[in-house]
Amino acid sequence: QSVLTQPPSASGTPGQRIIISCSGSSSNIASNPVHWYQQLPGTAPRLLIDDNNQRSSGVPDRFSGSRSGTSASLAISGLQSDDEADYYCAAWDDSLKGPLFGGGTKLTVL
Amino acid sequence: EVQLLESGGGLAQPEESLRLSCAASGFTFSSYALSWVRQAPGKGLEWVSATTGSGASIYYADSVKGRFTISRDNSKNTLYLQMSSLRAEDTAIYYCARYPGYSYGQTRLDSWGQGTTVTVSS
Repeated sequence: QSVLTQPPSASGTPGQRIIISCSGSSSNIASNPVHWYQQLPGTAPRLLIDDNNQRSSGVPDRFSGSRSGTSASLAISGLQSDDEADYYCAAWDDSLKGPLFGGGTKLTVL
Repeated sequence: EVQLLESGGGLAQPEESLRLSCAASGFTFSSYALSWVRQAPGKGLEWVSATTGSGASIYYADSVKGRFTISRDNSKNTLYLQMSSLRAEDTAIYYCARYPGYSYGQTRLDSWGQGTTVTVSS
C-alpha cells in the first residue's frame, strides 16, 4: 500500500471533466511539491504537472493540478480518448527521506 | 535533445547479478542528478535509486538497499545499476530518468528512457 493514496481507477466520457485525487500527509504533500506523471499504454512515463500546478512543456491546458493541505488533485477537462493512461502523483517525503509515487490511477475514456 | 538509453536487461536466476547501463546524450551529464525507477508487470512505479551529478550522494529504496549499487561514469556519460542477489520481486521494467538539476531531493523527473526489462526466474 502506497503512502500516497490514489483511486485505482477513474472513468469518464468524451468531453467530460474528471478529477484524480492523491492523498498524503504532512511529511510529503503538505510540505513538498507534488508532481504528476502520465503513462500511456506501453510507453515510459512523462512529466505532466510540475510543482503542484505547472503544466510541463507541451501539455495542453485541459490538464491542471492543485494542492491543498495533505491532498493534491489532477483535473482533466474536455476528456479525449487519447487521455486513456495511467496517472501517478509523486512527492518527496521528509520523514522517509525519500521520493514516493502514488499507486497510480488508470483512466478509462468510455 | 535529451536522450537516455537503457541496456543490460535480460533473464537472470534468483541470487544472480545483472548490471544495467543508461547512456545519456544531449545535455551536460555531470550537471544532473539521475534516478532508476522500476515498474513490475501490471504494477505501479517504484523509485529504486538516485544519485547526484557527482555521484557523491546516493538514495536507495529499502527494497533494494544492500543489494543494488548505483554509480555513474561522468567521463562516459553513463549511469549504472549493479543488481546483486536478485529476487523474483525485482522483475520489472527499469527506467533511467533525469532530474532537472544537480541534486535529487524532490520528485521532478523531466526526461525518461524507454526502459530495459529484467526478469528474475529459475
